Amino acid sequence: GENVEQHPSTLSVQEGDSAVIKCTYSDSASNYFPWYKQELGKRPQLIIDIRSNVGEKKDQRIAVTLNKTAKHFSLHITETQPEDSAVYFCAASLYNYGQNFVFGPGTRLSVLP
Amino acid sequence: DSGVTQTPKHLITATGQRVTLRCSPRSGDLSVYWYQQSLDQGLQFLIQYYNGEERAKGNILERFSAQQFPDLHSELNLSSLELGDSALYFCASSVLPLGETQYFGPGTRLLVL
Repeated sequence: GENVEQHPSTLSVQEGDSAVIKCTYSDSASNYFPWYKQELGKRPQLIIDIRSNVGEKKDQRIAVTLNKTAKHFSLHITETQPEDSAVYFCAASLYNYGQNFVFGPGTRLSVLP
Repeated sequence: DSGVTQTPKHLITATGQRVTLRCSPRSGDLSVYWYQQSLDQGLQFLIQYYNGEERAKGNILERFSAQQFPDLHSELNLSSLELGDSALYFCASSVLPLGETQYFGPGTRLLVL
């Protein structure tokens, strides 16, 4: 089955700097890759996603890139702000009648003021 | 507020017992997903239903079962509870069963003593 690895497990950056979180997946058939942000004590929230027919997607300060050949995808956050501090999860999913998500272990991002 | 509701918010029970968690999806959403989040296992996909029909199965134990009713609400039944079942259980919903943005509910925190 699918396996998703995520690095780093913790990341500290200064406010205004960029943050990059990388995920690799094992199943080349996976075709949908969402990123979720989870603040302490709250529910996961989708922040951006990418499908396998797209190489890059951007939404304001957040971007995701996908390399299908290498089977990895990355989350890029520019001009980080303290409110970006949270745990970020990547996931891989395969469309096959239903949608079976496999999540990475998460990255705890701390943005230092 | 995502529009997904879950009850109860907290649940404390004893080993060997059975509990039922309830989820009401956003208005118009036909697909429901269940997730388990624990400290050591991270976020794990359990099962997906679409319009009353099971569509995908993840790491759901045989002691656990779920169903989606004609009014589209869903219930997750956990039986023969063990200490290790203590976790946060999230429900999420989406309009369609494939490749759609999921909206998470606030979660039910289960503590098995």
